[in-house]
Amino acid sequence: GQSLEQPSEVTAVEGAIVQINCTYQTSGFYGLSWYQQHDGGAPTFLSYNALDGLEETGRFSSFLSRSDSYGYLLLQELQMKDSASYFCAVRDEDQAGTALIFGKGTTLSVSS
Amino acid sequence: DAGITQSPRYKITETGRQVTLMCHQTWSHSYMFWYRQDLGHGLRLIYYSAAADITDKGEVPDGYVVSRSKTENFPLTLESATRSQTSVYFCASSEARGDGYTFGSGTRLTVV
Repeated sequence: GQSLEQPSEVTAVEGAIVQINCTYQTSGFYGLSWYQQHDGGAPTFLSYNALDGLEETGRFSSFLSRSDSYGYLLLQELQMKDSASYFCAVRDEDQAGTALIFGKGTTLSVSS
Repeated sequence: DAGITQSPRYKITETGRQVTLMCHQTWSHSYMFWYRQDLGHGLRLIYYSAAADITDKGEVPDGYVVSRSKTENFPLTLESATRSQTSVYFCASSEARGDGYTFGSGTRLTVV
């Protein structure tokens, strides 16, 4: 089976940088995705890494190391509105890579 | 309006009743998914569909039934609701197999 591990909680202050790590176990790897979910809202897609390296989108960056089965989401210049849950996800090998399997999520709390 | 909509937003039902949660998307996306979200478990895949009339089980399919007679609709039915099915249910869609998901706003279901 597959599994993803990410910290349950992270706290930071406005303006800071925070890194949310994700390690995964899967025999068939199709890429690592990240989603953001505000309290009471729906998850929204942030990024996708299929190859090793860093992908940058504005204040958010996502990194992947396939050899280490590891990735992270980097949030820079933190704002209060970044307080949310962040989920890493891999495509499910049992469904031929069709569906995503999500980690349990990391709750980020940003304080002023 | 374009998008993915779920109905109802909130539902309270009694144990043993059948209940159907609706999901409708206007993009003609091929792939549709149902997840449930519970504290401590993150998002767990119930069922997914790669196209009309093609559905498959996810991680936690027991007690649920899906159908997809039209590309735009993907209803989820709880045949005989149990308290353990109290959860927030999210429907999602994607255009292609590796694309990011777009989620609906969710249905909060309480089984009493």
